Amino acid sequence: DVKVTQSSRYLVKRTGEKVFLECVQDMDHENMFWYRQDPGLGLRLIYFSYDVKMKEKGDIPEGYSVSREKKERFSLILESASTNQTSMYLCASVDRFRRGEQYFGPGTRLTVT
Amino acid sequence: RKEVEQDPGPFNVPEGATVAFNCTYSNSASQSFFWYRQDCRKEPKLLMSVYSSGNEDGRFTAQLNRASQYISLLIRDSKLSDSATYLCVVVTSGTYKYIFGTGTRLKVLA
Repeated sequence: DVKVTQSSRYLVKRTGEKVFLECVQDMDHENMFWYRQDPGLGLRLIYFSYDVKMKEKGDIPEGYSVSREKKERFSLILESASTNQTSMYLCASVDRFRRGEQYFGPGTRLTVT
Repeated sequence: RKEVEQDPGPFNVPEGATVAFNCTYSNSASQSFFWYRQDCRKEPKLLMSVYSSGNEDGRFTAQLNRASQYISLLIRDSKLSDSATYLCVVVTSGTYKYIFGTGTRLKVLA
């Protein structure tokens, strides 16, 4: 059974803290994604990685960075958390050559106070 | 104009009803289309891919209309368990960017 896991389901952080969200997939997928989901706005792409150490900015990369040191792991970093980064964060992966189903992790609900 | 647009609903339908959702997309170079289902506070999961010839999976039928740039999802004999948000997803040719609609909320009532 395919699996994408995220390091935390719920996280509460203070404004200005550095926050790490980790995502691990066991499907040997090349492509991995970080989204945030907010009511009325849907899923918005933050960053995308198509290989180890390779990344591309999505639609809303400001305030975020990413790291992909190993194929199975894709980390999202909030350099200095702000209250407007309170959201649900979803990681996903997909097989590069199939361009088919994206597999999502369970999500991390981050609250920044 | 949004790249992918959906009616947010909610669509409130009785059990056993047939309900249909549409999703329009703006980029004519879009090549792959999907419907995902998302339950409250859960991650999205693939419901079905949408093929040019249309496809059916049990009570669910998906259609693609390239000329008018929309895809549709038809649910027959609605069950209470079909209550969820349905997300339309479009992938543009030459990219790995998955564009999500904001979702259509369905409530099936007993």
